[in-house]
Order: sequence, then C-alpha cells, then structure tokens
Amino acid sequence: AQSVAQPEDQVNVAEGNPLTVKCTYSVSGNPYLFWYVQYPNRGLQFLLKYITGDNLVKGSYGFEAEFNKSQTSFHLKKPSALVSDSALYFCAVRLPYSGNTPLVFGKGTRLSVIA
Amino acid sequence: DTAVSQTPKYLVTQMGNDKSIKCEQNLGHDTMYWYKQDSKKFLKIMFSYNNKELIINETVPNRFSPKSPDKAHLNLHINSLELGDSAVYFCASSPTPDRGYGANVLTFGAGSRLTVL
Repeated sequence: AQSVAQPEDQVNVAEGNPLTVKCTYSVSGNPYLFWYVQYPNRGLQFLLKYITGDNLVKGSYGFEAEFNKSQTSFHLKKPSALVSDSALYFCAVRLPYSGNTPLVFGKGTRLSVIA
Repeated sequence: DTAVSQTPKYLVTQMGNDKSIKCEQNLGHDTMYWYKQDSKKFLKIMFSYNNKELIINETVPNRFSPKSPDKAHLNLHINSLELGDSAVYFCASSPTPDRGYGANVLTFGAGSRLTVL
C-alpha cells in the first residue's frame, strides 16, 4: 500500500525567510510524488510533481521540492516566503502503472507566513 | 471559464434527506473523481470514473451513488443523509493516462460544503 506522511500539522515562518514543508512516503517501488496547495474556501491546486530524472523539481509560485530516495522524502521548499503563501499544503503519492489505484494524499500541513 | 465547476457550493439539510451535488468539467478530461475532505482537512478518494465507467469505488456507504451521464459530468447523490456525512466534497478531473500512467495532474473544483443537521 502507498502512503504519505506530513509530520507537521502547522508550520510558521516569517515573511522573507526560507520555508520547508515536510513529506515522507511509503511505497514499494519508485513513486510519483505531488504537491498541491489549498487556499481558504478553494479547491486544491497543483504545485509540482516528481516523475523521474532530476531530483530537484521546480514548480509554481517559486516553490521547489527535492526527491530523496534514501530518506523517502519529498520536502517542499521556497527560498523566501510570502504572506500570500499561507495555505494548506498536501503531499500526494501514486505508484506508476498501478492500474486504478488512486492518488493518496497526506493529511496536510498548514503554512502560516507572518509579516 | 471555470475548468471544474460544482454546484451547489453550500448545502445545509436535515438528517434523513436525499441530496445531490453536480460536477462538470470543460477540460476535455476523460477521468473524474469525488474526494471527501473531513473537518480535519483529511482528503480521501471516494469514486473515480473513466469515460463514464466506474473504476475506483473506495469503501463508501452505498447511500452514496455516483452517476456519470457523460465524460464531462460526474454527479454525486447521497441518500438518507447522516451527521457524519458533513464534509466538503471535491470533484476533480484528469486527462487520459499517459505513458507514465499515474503522473496525471488532477484539476479540482472549488468544493461543495455539506452540512447535515
């Protein structure tokens, strides 16, 4: 079975500081990994994904994530946080060529960027 | 212009009632989903349809019945509503699986908040 863990319910960071939102995964194989963001009263929006190749993936709004196979992690990062980055962030995993298995989401991490 | 639209956005109803949530996508996607987000923001897949055919049916009470009249629509009908059904329900869609099946990005609707009293 595939799963993701987001160990932090809440991350607080000052505006202008770097931010990290953590995600670890558990799958028996090479995963496809995703980050989505949910702003208040909105649906989830895709940020970035790792499929294969370069371990550092760049996505929307200046976000990036690094796939680390040895640590089974896919942490989301941004060099300089903005107040507008405050939202709920979801990590998700899926096995490639896994038939109809769904995309599995973590429980989410709420990011608060303080001015 | 809305890619994935859900109606209604808010739904307040009494226990025991039957209600429906509609979803439409204009992206030309072949696969559509229903996810449930509970009060703790945990997001769980309920159903998935590909070209009007049910392909994922997670452990969901049979009071929940999805219907896909065509590949652009996936509606969710709920019978005999219970307090525990209160949640935000998200519809999503994705393109036909590509060579790296499973790498497709989901596009979500804005959600339908269901409150059962």
